[in-house]
Amino acid sequence: SQQGEEDPQALSIQEGENATMNCSYKTSINNLQWYRQNSGRGLVHLILIRSNEREKHSGRLRVTLDTSKKSSSLLITASRAADTASYFCATVKTGANNLFFGTGTRLTVIP
Amino acid sequence: GAVVSQHPSWVICKSGTSVKIECRSLDFQATTMFWYRQFPKQSLMLMATSNEGSKATYEQGVEKDKFLINHASLTLSTLTVTSAHPEDSSFYICSAGIREFGTDTQYFGPGTRLTVL
Repeated sequence: SQQGEEDPQALSIQEGENATMNCSYKTSINNLQWYRQNSGRGLVHLILIRSNEREKHSGRLRVTLDTSKKSSSLLITASRAADTASYFCATVKTGANNLFFGTGTRLTVIP
Repeated sequence: GAVVSQHPSWVICKSGTSVKIECRSLDFQATTMFWYRQFPKQSLMLMATSNEGSKATYEQGVEKDKFLINHASLTLSTLTVTSAHPEDSSFYICSAGIREFGTDTQYFGPGTRLTVL
């Protein structure tokens, strides 16, 4: 399976704290993307990082990519209750356009 | 821009019936559409990739005769779950792909929850 793995599976933090989620994958990639999904809803694209990039920022989000370790991390700073959702990484293999999703991290931010 | 809709948003059907789910790109043309399935508290699993005017490419383990995909136009793809059974109950999500700034980007629909009784 090309599916990646994320850890932790679940994370519960207090509002204002930072949340870090990790993603590992198996194949060489063109890019890696992070998505957010509220319960029972569709996916919202958060950020894309290309294989030749090491770090990217977008608002309170910071993504890192280590292609040598085949891993990525998503950091959400100063978390808010509204950040409560499931977060998925997804990879695009080199030479392909399919997305393969990680197992997801369920984040709960306690007000 | 880049809005993808799905219809219906939820459907309940009896075992043995067929259900059609539509996926539309509302304000752009998508040469490629993707269908995913998501079981409760699990990740999205790619079922198939469809290109306008050609047969869909199914992932390993996905029965093409059970999950019929039609991509008749650049803005519409349909997934038909034939002879649905309770184990087909799941959240089905489509996405529409476009090429932006040299990168293939997928925009996701809101999903369709299928419950088979």
